Amino acid sequence: KNQVEQSPQSLIILEGKNCTLQCNYTVSPFSNLRWYKQDTGRGPVSLTIMTFSENTKSNGRYTATLDADTKQSSLHITASQLSDSASYICVVSVSKAAGNKLTFGGGTRVLVKP
Amino acid sequence: DAGVIQSPRHEVTEMGQEVTLRCKPISGHNSLFWYRQTMMRGLELLIYFNNNVPIDDSGMPEDRFSAKMPNASFSTLKIQPSEPRDSAVYFCASSLGPASSNYGYTFGSGTRLTVV
Repeated sequence: KNQVEQSPQSLIILEGKNCTLQCNYTVSPFSNLRWYKQDTGRGPVSLTIMTFSENTKSNGRYTATLDADTKQSSLHITASQLSDSASYICVVSVSKAAGNKLTFGGGTRVLVKP
Repeated sequence: DAGVIQSPRHEVTEMGQEVTLRCKPISGHNSLFWYRQTMMRGLELLIYFNNNVPIDDSGMPEDRFSAKMPNASFSTLKIQPSEPRDSAVYFCASSLGPASSNYGYTFGSGTRLTVV
């Protein structure tokens, strides 16, 4: 069964500190992995998209890594800001041949405190 | 670009009533997705259209739910009859490519549905 597990479920960090969110998946055949940021009351916003051959991708203070062998991804937030408080969702998609399906993680809720 | 436009933003309806949610994707995007989000289940893909054709509707909960995309600029998600367990935030998203492509999705602001 295709699954995406995220950890931790929630996280509280102090402004200016770094944090790392984890995403483990069993989705196969893998096509790509996306990280989204969702502010309260808003739709998710794409942060990064990575394919099988990509190990790391950055978007400002957000850096995603992907290890396709171990089926793990991480999202690192550097020098956190209050505006980073949001839910972060990992989404993995299978190939077109397998039906283009998406599997969502349950998200990690991050709270940045001053 | 106004982004993905959903209406209404909020909907409160009585159990048994018909509910219609609307979505206007970004012009030029050929894939459209309907999602439902609840605290218990997170984000769930309900149905996905590519070039106005439903590709995968395996996420549609039951026959009470139906979705249409009569043209490239408009889609509806209908619930008839609605039930309290349908209460959730319903998101529409569009993309330049299908789900497995490397194009990003743009989400609308969602419709918060409450069925009482």
